Amino acid sequence: QQQVKQSPQSLIVQKGGISIINCAYENTAFDYFPWYQQFPGKGPALLIAIRPDVSEKKEGRFTISFNKSAKQFSLHIMDSQPGDSATYFCAASSSNFGNEKLTFGTGTRLTIIP
Amino acid sequence: SAVISQKPSRDICQRGTSLTIQCQVDSQVTMMFWYRQQPGQSLTLIATANQGSEATYESGFVIDKFPISRPNLTFSTLTVSNMSPEDSSIYLCSGGQEVGYTFGSGTRLTVV
Repeated sequence: QQQVKQSPQSLIVQKGGISIINCAYENTAFDYFPWYQQFPGKGPALLIAIRPDVSEKKEGRFTISFNKSAKQFSLHIMDSQPGDSATYFCAASSSNFGNEKLTFGTGTRLTIIP
Repeated sequence: SAVISQKPSRDICQRGTSLTIQCQVDSQVTMMFWYRQQPGQSLTLIATANQGSEATYESGFVIDKFPISRPNLTFSTLTVSNMSPEDSSIYLCSGGQEVGYTFGSGTRLTVV
């Protein structure tokens, strides 16, 4: 199974709050899990990524939590700001597939309100 | 990380014609990919562009419709052939030396 399921489809959070986006996967061969941020009219930009050997990775206000047994991972945005309003995509890839192509989730449109 | 430039950024094309999209990377990269994205939706992989050999297409995409070239490690083109309104979409180039790929800003194609 190549699918990566992402929820919610859209999310509204007040400024200063915590934004949480969840993803789940089926294929246990996946070994790289990035999150991309996309603004209107732009291509996706890599935000943060994790491999299964750790359960959490933090970069500034952005944290990935990873649960290998549940095959789930999530993005937490602390102290959410209006500038964080964008579409977020989770993705997964496997070094076992040769070309390490990314399989993307369906995306979450995040809106931060003042 | 690599910086990717795509052109054109947008185009309006007549039904039945073809458009070639160019992707230039500022450094040599191992992997290059082409994606399609409908506005407000996720990214669908069209193919992996292989340097010096035929591209590897995903299910639902064929070489006759989407021919791809990759003459070296910094450049690739995607042609959308015999276009129909259903081909109206955003086409994105992506690449990098390893996972954590960079994306271009995309080509917004409208077929009329």
